[in-house]
Amino acid sequence: GNSVTQMEGPVTLSEEAFLTINCTYTATGYPSLFWYVQYPGEGLQLLLKATKADDKGSNKGFEATYRKETTSFHLEKGSVQVSDSAVYFCALKGSGGSYIPTFGRGTSLIVHP
Amino acid sequence: DAGITQSPRHKVTETGTPVTLRCHQTENHRYMYWYRQDPGHGLRLIHYSYGVKDTDKGEVSDGYSVSRSKTEDFLLTLESATSSQTSVYFCAISQELGLAGVETQYFGPGTRLLVL
Repeated sequence: GNSVTQMEGPVTLSEEAFLTINCTYTATGYPSLFWYVQYPGEGLQLLLKATKADDKGSNKGFEATYRKETTSFHLEKGSVQVSDSAVYFCALKGSGGSYIPTFGRGTSLIVHP
Repeated sequence: DAGITQSPRHKVTETGTPVTLRCHQTENHRYMYWYRQDPGHGLRLIHYSYGVKDTDKGEVSDGYSVSRSKTEDFLLTLESATSSQTSVYFCAISQELGLAGVETQYFGPGTRLLVL
């Protein structure tokens, strides 16, 4: 079956530091890949996505590239802000008629001033 | 923002009592989901629906039932609440993309349930 593995947190950074959150997946075919963000006290919201190999998703300064050869979709940001403190979830939707996404366990990011 | 509301937003109840959580959408999306979120477990799917009166179980469905009598409403019922069901519950919706299944999910704000 499909699975998503994320690095465990919390990840603690100072403001303006470089961020990487690792995500690898197991799936057959060509899944779609997603990063969701959850701010404190809120539901998840889509941050970015990529639907085919070598696609780069980007939003709010965050980027992730769909790497089929390494089955990875690592999240990066060049300079984090305190307001980026949140929990980040990597997810995939299997290829074909898939209706149930698979989520990673989430990685908490804490950014200090 | 996707039009998803959940009610109540917070609830405290006692062990053994029935509890119903409501999810309401204004997007007319076909797919609706109920998840629970617990520390160390991430999101776990309880039940989902692929149309009016069409529902199926997720990975942690024991002790929960659902109903969907209208496209816009998806109800989650804890038949007899237990302390292990203390959690944050999220509803999500997704649009069908024909034979491609579904893609992006849109989440509600969550319901915090405490079972004493």
